[in-house]
Amino acid sequence: EVQLVESGGGLVQPGGSLRLSCAASGFIFSSHWMTWVRQAPGKGPEWVANIKYDGSEKYYVDSVRGRLTISRDNAENSLYLQMNSLRAEDTAIYYCARGLELPLYWGQGTLVTVSS
Amino acid sequence: DIQMTQSPSSLSASVGDRVTITCRASQGIRNDLGWYQQKPGKAPKCLISAASSLQSGVPSRFSGSGFGTEFTLTISSLQPEDFATYYCLQHNSYPRTFGQGTKVEVK
Repeated sequence: EVQLVESGGGLVQPGGSLRLSCAASGFIFSSHWMTWVRQAPGKGPEWVANIKYDGSEKYYVDSVRGRLTISRDNAENSLYLQMNSLRAEDTAIYYCARGLELPLYWGQGTLVTVSS
Repeated sequence: DIQMTQSPSSLSASVGDRVTITCRASQGIRNDLGWYQQKPGKAPKCLISAASSLQSGVPSRFSGSGFGTEFTLTISSLQPEDFATYYCLQHNSYPRTFGQGTKVEVK
C-alpha cells in the first residue's frame, strides 16, 4: 500500500525557515517523480514543485522559486521541501504526492502557518 | 502559465441529478487534464486522467470528455457521497495549474 506521511509543519514568523519532510513507503520511491502541492485555508490546491526520480530535474511555480527548494533522498525514501524567506501567503497545508503528470497518491498534509 | 477557468464555482443539486462541470484552458493542452474530488479535511482524490479515463475504483457515474481547451466532468446521477468540491488540473506544461474549483452542494 502506498503511504506518504508529511511532517515538519508549524508556526513560523515571516522571513523564517522551515523544512518539510515526506516519508514514502509501499512503492519503489526511486522510480517515481514526486510533487508538493499546497492549499491555503479556504482556497483551491496550488501545485508548488516536482522532482524527477533521480533528482536531476526540478520544476517550481514562480511564486516560490528561489525561496522553496525541493529535494529527495532515495536511500531514505524521503522527499523534502526547504522553505526560506517565508511569507504570510505561504500559509497552507502542504501535501506530498506521487506522480509526474497527475498526482495520484497523496499524503494527509502538514500545516504551515506564517505569522508574527 | 496556462490558466484553467472552471465553471460554475458552485452549484446546488439533488440526489439523482445529472451534474456537469466545465474547465477551459487558456491555450490548447491536448488531453493533459485530470479531475479531482476533495472532501473537507481530506486530500484531493483523482477521479479521471487523460481527460476521460476513469481511475480504478471510481464509480462509472463519473465521466470526462474534451480535448484542446474545453473539458467536462459529468456525474450522471448524483449520489450523497458526491457532495464535494471538484477541481481540474492541467499537466501539459509547467507550472501545473488547477481550476478554481466547483463546490457541489445539497439543494
